Amino acid sequence: DTEVTQTPKHLVMGMTNKKSLKCEQHMGHRAMYWYKQKAKKPPELMFVYSYEKLSINESVPSRFSPECPNSSLLNLHLHALQPEDSALYLCASRSGLAGGNEQFFGPGTRLTVL
Amino acid sequence: KQEVTQIPAALSVPEGENLVLNCSFTDSAIYNLQWFRQDPGKGLTSLLLIQSSQREQTSGRLNASLDKSSGRSTLYIAASQPGDSATYLCEDFGNEKLTFGTGTRLTIIP
Repeated sequence: DTEVTQTPKHLVMGMTNKKSLKCEQHMGHRAMYWYKQKAKKPPELMFVYSYEKLSINESVPSRFSPECPNSSLLNLHLHALQPEDSALYLCASRSGLAGGNEQFFGPGTRLTVL
Repeated sequence: KQEVTQIPAALSVPEGENLVLNCSFTDSAIYNLQWFRQDPGKGLTSLLLIQSSQREQTSGRLNASLDKSSGRSTLYIAASQPGDSATYLCEDFGNEKLTFGTGTRLTIIP
């Protein structure tokens, strides 16, 4: 099973809402990633978790709050977002940070902030 | 800071042609290189991975090469098909370093 799943597929939220994105993998990978992708642009790295600990935070605003409750699950909690945060949010995983091992991506969550 | 440029940004070719996509790095200290394709509004699908000690990888009609001395990688697609139409992205990654290229949008004309 080389699958990364993401829910929901689509999300529309107001600027005062609180919502969460979910990512799951059962490949035994210990590195998990959140990326943000705007239209016609490459993915931008937001967060990296290694062994359930936050390893990289690319200066992301605090209205985005990641959480890694266990080795298979990665959440992204959203609060007080802005319309410019509308984008495709991609989750990815890799067996570990060290070494040249393949990265697998989920299908993404299309987020629209009104 | 590593910057990765993909040339051309967009490419249209007739079905059946062979083609080459390019990736150029400002920092030739490339760790590992992965090529992906992305269909509109979808996630990324891994195509080929070239680890730091390797120079080339092949899968079916695809061949990727990495020349660290010149800071370049190429993705060769043989006998292109309409199903190859997508955006192609390269990614340089190390232990905690990940940089995506700017992408090439490929259209194969039937």
